[in-house]
This record gives sequence, C-alpha cells and structure tokens, in this order.
Amino acid sequence: QVQLVESGGGVVQPGKSLRLSCAASGFTFSNYGMHWVRQAPGKGLEWVACLWYEGSSTYYADSVKGRFTISRDNSKNTLYLQINRLTVEDSAVYYCSRAPGYYCYGSDVWGQGTTVTVSS
Amino acid sequence: DIVMTQSPDSLAVSLGQRATINCKSSQSVLYSSTNKNYLAWYQQKPGQPPELIIYWASTRESGVPDRFSGSGSGTDFTLTISSLQAEDVAVYFCQQYYTTPLSFGQGTKLEIK
Repeated sequence: QVQLVESGGGVVQPGKSLRLSCAASGFTFSNYGMHWVRQAPGKGLEWVACLWYEGSSTYYADSVKGRFTISRDNSKNTLYLQINRLTVEDSAVYYCSRAPGYYCYGSDVWGQGTTVTVSS
Repeated sequence: DIVMTQSPDSLAVSLGQRATINCKSSQSVLYSSTNKNYLAWYQQKPGQPPELIIYWASTRESGVPDRFSGSGSGTDFTLTISSLQAEDVAVYFCQQYYTTPLSFGQGTKLEIK
C-alpha cells in the first residue's frame, strides 16, 4: 500500500542542524511532487517546502527560506529536509506528503510525522 | 502571498445536522486556463496526520463519504457535511495550491453539540 514514513526527528539544541528523511513505498516515487508540512504543538498546519517529481524545482515558505533545503533521491525513494540553524520556533511535527502529480499541488498522501523539539 | 481565512474557528453541531465551514482566500485561486479552483480541504483527527477530503474545490477524494461536499469559486469556498456523524469530529483545514508559497487556513474545530 502507499506509505510514507518519516524519521530523523529528536531533541536538538538551538543553532544546530538536523536532516529529516521520508521513505516512500507502494507507488512510483519519481512520478510525484513531494511536500514537507509542519505543525507546532496545538497549532495549525504550516506548509514548509515542496519539490517537483525530478527535483529540479524547489519552493519554500518565507519563514524557512535560506535555512531549510528540500531534496530527494529517486533511486532510494526518499525525500529529505535539511534544517540548519534551528530555533525554538522550528519545534513541530514534520509531515512529508505526496502531491497528486508531478508538481507542487495539494497533498493526497501523508506520513505519520516526525517530531522535532528544539531546546537547550 | 495568499492568505487563507476560515470561519468559524470552532463549530458545534448536533448529530445528523448540517455543518458548514467557510474559507476565504485573499486573492482568486481560480486558474483561468484550466477553469479549476486550486483549493483543497483536509480533515485532521486528534493525534493523526491530515487526510485529503476535497480537491479542486469540489471533487471528493476516493473513499470519502458523500455527506462531504465542497463548493465555491474564486475567493470564497465552503465545506459542507450534510449529516454530521460522530466520526466527523476533527479539525478541518482549507489550502490553496494556486501558487507558492502554498498556504493553509487556520483550521476549524468541529465538535458535537
């Protein structure tokens, strides 16, 4: 079945870096755009970043531009999110999701999320 | 950037009654060349990831009960649950995917009265 499994979250000190991964299975990963969406505790959804099916085009929320990098390895069916210079405001559950097509449209499949806690 | 605003923030409806959630975008999300509204609705139950229920503003995702419907065009959209069931208790979010950065509404919490 179609599945997305995130990993790489944890407790990290402010200013440090983290790389999140999202392993995809059950579909042809290279045919779909992919997103990262985050949700701070008790808050709403915040779209973070997306990239096209082949990875050539990437897009970011203004709040993370310059610190976050989205990438993919289609040979490994894996999506990544590199997060640098972490701040307490980055504490959230990070979801990866699949766009229903090549590009950065909405999200038709979601993972269970991985939790990032930024704390000294 | 497009700002999405939902109303109300919370809603309590009796079982079997209609629930209506509104979503307004700060600019049109209707793409003229496709005549499609780039608007989706998601349902998020406590402790779970969101689930897509409506896309292109009015197309129901596969497996979603037909009591859920979406309507609207341009800047004003509505999610309607025709007869509320206990399993519909959740937070509902609208999202525009007309342009990046994509953006969500703040969410509407739906409860049973």
